[in-house]
Amino acid sequence: GNSVTQMEGPVTLSEEAFLTINCTYTATGYPSLFWYVQYPGEGLQLLLKATKADDKGSNKGFEATYRKETTSFHLEKGSVQVSDSAVYFCALRGAYSGAGSYQLTFGKGTKLSVIP
Amino acid sequence: DTAVSQTPKYLVTQMGNDKSIKCEQNLGHDTMYWYKQDSKKFLKIMFSYNNKELIINETVPNRFSPKSPDKAHLNLHINSLELGDSAVYFCASSQFSASSTDTQYFGPGTRLTVL
Repeated sequence: GNSVTQMEGPVTLSEEAFLTINCTYTATGYPSLFWYVQYPGEGLQLLLKATKADDKGSNKGFEATYRKETTSFHLEKGSVQVSDSAVYFCALRGAYSGAGSYQLTFGKGTKLSVIP
Repeated sequence: DTAVSQTPKYLVTQMGNDKSIKCEQNLGHDTMYWYKQDSKKFLKIMFSYNNKELIINETVPNRFSPKSPDKAHLNLHINSLELGDSAVYFCASSQFSASSTDTQYFGPGTRLTVL
């Protein structure tokens, strides 16, 4: 079945530091890959997505590249801000192979804290 | 306007009670979902409805019963609440069910606490 593994948190960085949150996946076929962000006390928001190999998703200074050869979709940001403090979820939506197979499969989330 | 809304935001209740959580989306989407997020933030799909028809029903106790009166609403009713049901429940919607590229939009969550 489909699965997503992302780095364990929590991650604590100083403002303006470089961020990488690793995400690798297991899936059959050609899944779409997503990063969602959950700010404290809020629901999940889509941060970025990539739907095919070598695509780069980007938003709000965050980037992730769909790497089929390494089955990875690592999230990066060059200079984090205090307002980026949140929980980040990597997710995939797999190729259809029967009822329910388009569901989102999430990683366990990585909590990021950015300190001034 | 809120795209996906849920009520209530917080729900505190006693073991054994029956409670409902409501979800509405105004995005015109065909598909709606319920997810459970446990205390460790792990998210797992519970149910999915497409145009009022159940298409995903993960291994969830049958005390949980979703109901979709129309494609803009998906409510979750829980019977005989147990301590282990304490979690944050998220509703989500997407345009299509049969698309791997489609984005799901999430509601703000309902924090259920069973005492």
